[in-house]
Amino acid sequence: DSGVTQTPKHLITATGQRVTLRCSPRSGDLSVYWYQQSLDQGLQFLIQYYNGEERAKGNILERFSAQQFPDLHSELNLSSLELGDSALYFCASSEQGAAGNTIYFGEGSWLTVV
Amino acid sequence: AQSVAQPEDQVNVAEGNPLTVKCTYSVSGNPYLFWYVQYPNRGLQFLLKYITGDNLVKGSYGFEAEFNKSQTSFHLKKPSALVSDSALYFCAVRSNTGGFKTIFGAGTRLFVKA
Repeated sequence: DSGVTQTPKHLITATGQRVTLRCSPRSGDLSVYWYQQSLDQGLQFLIQYYNGEERAKGNILERFSAQQFPDLHSELNLSSLELGDSALYFCASSEQGAAGNTIYFGEGSWLTVV
Repeated sequence: AQSVAQPEDQVNVAEGNPLTVKCTYSVSGNPYLFWYVQYPNRGLQFLLKYITGDNLVKGSYGFEAEFNKSQTSFHLKKPSALVSDSALYFCAVRSNTGGFKTIFGAGTRLFVKA
């Protein structure tokens, strides 16, 4: 158990809908990362937050947004969902924003868009 | 821009034989290199990392990796493979310049045959 908690574990929703994925980082970790894993595109970095502030941005669509709250938990909001958004979404956390810090992953949230 | 290449989609090895999973990278600045393992329907688990110092890094479950700066490689190795090592392995790279994105390779599936 990495200590990173993600909810929900599984989610099925229809195209055009909006969902929110939630992440609680490891105790004491200030950085939160979101990744998308799909069969055809591998593991894609979406976005990173450090202590509530956006730190780095990857291939995150404009329909997606994220935030990190004062208690350090994070939410990833996915809107106007399309079939291609079906994927496994990982949250990860690390102690600080330092380049050498290890990132620890949660078990993921499986999103199926039908 | 950072990039990671895992040239083999799949590696097959017999139990008891040594295994190597290859990884090459490209970054500006100093590289920080990581290996993760993913079992079916699970999150990524940290195996080992290279930050600085000794080029041979030892990690969990008997795995080790060798950093080679001139060849920009960070191959994962294990002297004697176990059937339970069968999983998906990811190499990742982060740079100390240009933000803190951690970029993952496409993954290599390791099959260890009894």
